[in-house]
Amino acid sequence: EAGVTQFPSHSVIEKGQTVTLRCDPISGHDNLYWYRRVMGKEIKFLLHFVKESKQDESGMPNNRFLAERTGGTYSTLKVQPAELEDSGVYFCASSQGGAYGYTFGSGTRLTVV
Amino acid sequence: SQQGEEDPQALSIQEGENATMNCSYKTSINNLQWYRQNSGRGLVHLILIRSNEREKHSGRLRVTLDTSKKSSSLLITASRAADTASYFCATTEYGNKLVFGAGTILRVKS
Repeated sequence: EAGVTQFPSHSVIEKGQTVTLRCDPISGHDNLYWYRRVMGKEIKFLLHFVKESKQDESGMPNNRFLAERTGGTYSTLKVQPAELEDSGVYFCASSQGGAYGYTFGSGTRLTVV
Repeated sequence: SQQGEEDPQALSIQEGENATMNCSYKTSINNLQWYRQNSGRGLVHLILIRSNEREKHSGRLRVTLDTSKKSSSLLITASRAADTASYFCATTEYGNKLVFGAGTILRVKS
């Protein structure tokens, strides 16, 4: 079974530019989560999709961040415009839900300069 | 609220020694999980312990859970240089979202 795939693995952009991160969950996993680790700090929850619906987006830092999950398959996380403090590693995870565990992707390292 | 606060924040040991990391949390939990992040890479799930379990083993890993003290520990025995990584505990909140702590940076010197 293919795991959770994230790309790009690394992105370097200038402040003010736009970046779109993509996550392909494990096929059949209705739950998709985005997390990020900024500046070596704790890993923080951003949002949770159940299929194509946003179940919980309480962790989204501000309106510069937009997440979508068209058709309940892959998800994108767009940052527009990017700021220096957005630098960090963005993780995606998927699960079947309930007692089943998560599978995390390898993450996207975003560097805003 | 922040759950899963780990200590120590950083730990440096010699290869072959044991490493112990602790985690505390604030609310009631269904389970507690430990993850590892190697530098620049993704999160790897290590072990899950349910709230009705007190101890669990997986290879060189041993996890304990004390729900009365709201704490957990991760023991890595006979450490290797490849164990060098950041280790996080995480608890599950509503919607099954994970709440991570700040993590412990483990460095194993060869």
